[in-house]
Amino acid sequence: QTVVTQEPSLTVSPGGTVTLTCASSTGAVTRDYYPNWFQQKPGRAPRSLIYATDNKHSWTPARFSGSLLGGKAALTLSGVQPEDEADYYCLLYYGYPWVFGGGTKLTVL
Amino acid sequence: EVQLVQSGAEVKKPGESLKISCKGSGYTFINYRVAWVRQMPGKGLEWMGIIYPGDSETTYSPSFQGQVTISVDKSITTAYLQWDSLRASDTAMYYCVRRDFSNHDYWGQGTQVTVSS
Repeated sequence: QTVVTQEPSLTVSPGGTVTLTCASSTGAVTRDYYPNWFQQKPGRAPRSLIYATDNKHSWTPARFSGSLLGGKAALTLSGVQPEDEADYYCLLYYGYPWVFGGGTKLTVL
Repeated sequence: EVQLVQSGAEVKKPGESLKISCKGSGYTFINYRVAWVRQMPGKGLEWMGIIYPGDSETTYSPSFQGQVTISVDKSITTAYLQWDSLRASDTAMYYCVRRDFSNHDYWGQGTQVTVSS
């Protein structure tokens, strides 16, 4: 059973920078895993932020960026805003199925 | 405008059957796969399976194989998720999401399924 691991929780100050990571139990995450990142606020459907490692949608705020870092997928928020407080999930491709990480609860304090 | 609109909340008893829907609009429905995602109360997202409307090819996550059935009616641009016999543990929010190759981009609003005696 493949496990995708994210930090359970992180706290960042407004205006600060934070990096969330996404690790695979099978080894290093590469572009071949097509990492996706999603934001979910309470009571709302998830919203796609990043796909295929580092690609943004037209609606993705510029302060969000995706990358690979130390064998993991990473989502970096630069200049964090209070409205960025949310749960963040990564999703990795294993040739079907895709597997979600457990999520990171980001607190802006 | 791309939209995925899901059917409304359901309250069912254990052992009952259920089929929920997800209607796509604003794009060429048969060209994009539709995945289903479960979120149990207070928990994270789980990828359940996916269907290609063009030929109804379906793939399930091992955790959901045999537990649910994903189907599609391309004539009405609608994907479905169904259960033959619900259990209390099926209580969750279910989302459909459009998949464009490496990108799960547009999500439905979610359907709450509650199974209780």
